[in-house]
Amino acid sequence: AQSVTQLDSHVSVSEGTPVLLRCNYSSSYSPSLFWYVQHPNKGLQLLLKYTSAATLVKGINGFEAEFKKSETSFHLTKPSAHMSDAAEYFCVVSEGRTNAGKSTFGDGTTLTVKP
Amino acid sequence: NAGVMQNPRHLVRRRGQEARLRCSPMKGHSHVYWYRQLPEEGLKFMVYLQKENIIDESGMPKERFSAEFPKEGPSILRIQQVVRGDSAAYFCASSPSSNTEAFFGQGTRLTVV
Repeated sequence: AQSVTQLDSHVSVSEGTPVLLRCNYSSSYSPSLFWYVQHPNKGLQLLLKYTSAATLVKGINGFEAEFKKSETSFHLTKPSAHMSDAAEYFCVVSEGRTNAGKSTFGDGTTLTVKP
Repeated sequence: NAGVMQNPRHLVRRRGQEARLRCSPMKGHSHVYWYRQLPEEGLKFMVYLQKENIIDESGMPKERFSAEFPKEGPSILRIQQVVRGDSAAYFCASSPSSNTEAFFGQGTRLTVV
């Protein structure tokens, strides 16, 4: 069984300040973990993924996430927020090396970026 | 190589009608996954299909919903006798095998009036 909890349903930051979106997971296996971004009425875009290689994963648009097994966390960070980062973010866990198959999505975190 | 194509992008149905959602996987991909996103929620797994076979349908509602992925043509998610609660975004993803990355389509937004 697997589950994922996004600890904040809404996060608001000012442009140019750091972003932290928190995600905790549970899995019976060595999981693969992903972060996706969804802009309003758009599809899902993969930001980054962890599949048992380096624990610090760098993704697109300046985002990165660190896999911490001891804390069962996979928090998403960005040093400096941009207005275009405003969107919905989903943390995803999958039992296996990829997101193929039965992935479990968190409920999402809405990121608001203030000018 | 075109991405995963879903059509229609928006679909409006009256209560009691049937909704048919289509998903054309990426070229060379024989594995398809359907997810449903209710308003202000994350995506929930519905069904995993390989060509002509249903691999895992543990997330499918027991009634009114069915899915197929024929040898030729797109995967179809069919919802019979739609109700207001079926209003959601339905996403499809595809992968070339069960252990390689899956890519998502843009989704079909179903509105039941």
